[in-house]
Amino acid sequence: QCVLTQPPSVSGAPGQRVTISCSGCTSNIGTGYDVHWYQQIPGTAPKLLIYGDNNRPSGVPDRFSGSKSGTSASLAITGLQIEDEADYYCQSYDSSLSGVIFGGGTKLTVL
Amino acid sequence: QVQLHQWGAGLLKPSETLSLTCAVYGGSFRGYYWSWIRQPPGKGPEWIGEISHSGSPNYNPSLKSRVTISVDTSNNQFSLKLTSVTAPDTAVYYCARGSAAGPRGVDYWGQGNLVTVSS
Repeated sequence: QCVLTQPPSVSGAPGQRVTISCSGCTSNIGTGYDVHWYQQIPGTAPKLLIYGDNNRPSGVPDRFSGSKSGTSASLAITGLQIEDEADYYCQSYDSSLSGVIFGGGTKLTVL
Repeated sequence: QVQLHQWGAGLLKPSETLSLTCAVYGGSFRGYYWSWIRQPPGKGPEWIGEISHSGSPNYNPSLKSRVTISVDTSNNQFSLKLTSVTAPDTAVYYCARGSAAGPRGVDYWGQGNLVTVSS
């Protein structure tokens, strides 16, 4: 069974660039299924940040970008801001599980 | 502006049935998938399932035997039933617009309901 693996935590100073990785396998990201990214402030519902690998919904700053290659995807945040401190989740579809899967989440700390 | 408002019982005993309903305000109900996603305390989200506006559901295989998602297009609502709940079903349950499996993800979420299963 293949899951989506994210680093538990990343950190950066204001203004810096950070990336969050999402490692999958051939039954999900590697097959070409779309990867979506969500931002969650504790106590609130997740917010769609990136859809379809690298697309931003209206209202999401262009400081946020997504990419995908092989069996992995990444979320990049440039010009880090205090308000970016949150939990980030990647999500895709897995053909072996016949269902939607989420990564374990990455806590971003802005130092 | 699309808004999702959800409601249902927040405290259940083991073996009872969880029942939640989500009403959609603003935007079109037709043409979208409607999803249920839960999040256990301190953990990541878990997809429960989704349903098209025409009533075709898809369920998480691990929950499929206990889950029913239905839609009421006349009232722009959709519902979740989860039978035989146990403590591991304790989570914040969210309704949401969109198909997580689709190309556009899940873009609007309800406020969430904490459902606690305890004897």
